[in-house]
Amino acid sequence: AQKVTQAQTEISVVEKEDVTLDCVYETRDTTYYLFWYKQPPSGELVFLIRRNSFDEQNEISGRYSWNFQKSTSSFNFTITASQVVDSAVYFCALSEFKDSGYSTLTFGKGTMLLVSP
Amino acid sequence: DVKVTQSSRYLVKRTGEKVFLECVQDMDHENMFWYRQDPGLGLRLIYFSYDVKMKEKGDIPEGYSVSREKKERFSLILESASTNQTSMYLCASSRVRDRRGDTQYFGPGTRLTVL
Repeated sequence: AQKVTQAQTEISVVEKEDVTLDCVYETRDTTYYLFWYKQPPSGELVFLIRRNSFDEQNEISGRYSWNFQKSTSSFNFTITASQVVDSAVYFCALSEFKDSGYSTLTFGKGTMLLVSP
Repeated sequence: DVKVTQSSRYLVKRTGEKVFLECVQDMDHENMFWYRQDPGLGLRLIYFSYDVKMKEKGDIPEGYSVSREKKERFSLILESASTNQTSMYLCASSRVRDRRGDTQYFGPGTRLTVL
């Protein structure tokens, strides 16, 4: 069965610190996708990134970067120079290909990031 | 812009009531999903639909049913609400571009309390 583990339940940092959120996954699919979502206090999940299992290049978007390592089944997310607005719950998710021919997402339990001034 | 709306942000119902949660997307997406989110458990899939009138059970379908009569609307139904269904309910939709893993876009959520 699919599984996504976010071992860090809660992380607290001070503004301008770098922080890495860990994500480890298990899957039997040979082709799959990995995702990160952000859930600010308002509650709506915001899509951050989607990654194909064949693309192991790291990605950078502003202060955000993602490190995908297939050998260790990890897809970690780093925020550089954190800001108070980064405070949120972050979810890692893994696609699961169903017998119906469609895919669903399996989510980790989330990591709450608290950035204090 | 991607837009998924849910009928209520907050809802309070009594045990035994029939509850309807509505979700509408305006992006012509084929797939729609219902999740519930509970502290410490993350998001768990209740049901999803890949076409009008087509549905498939997720991980926790017990106590729920769904309806999709039109492409843009996906309803979650609690036939007889119970206190253990108190939760945050999130709706999502996705366009079918790669069946191996499409991006899902989420609505703002409905916080349901069953008394």
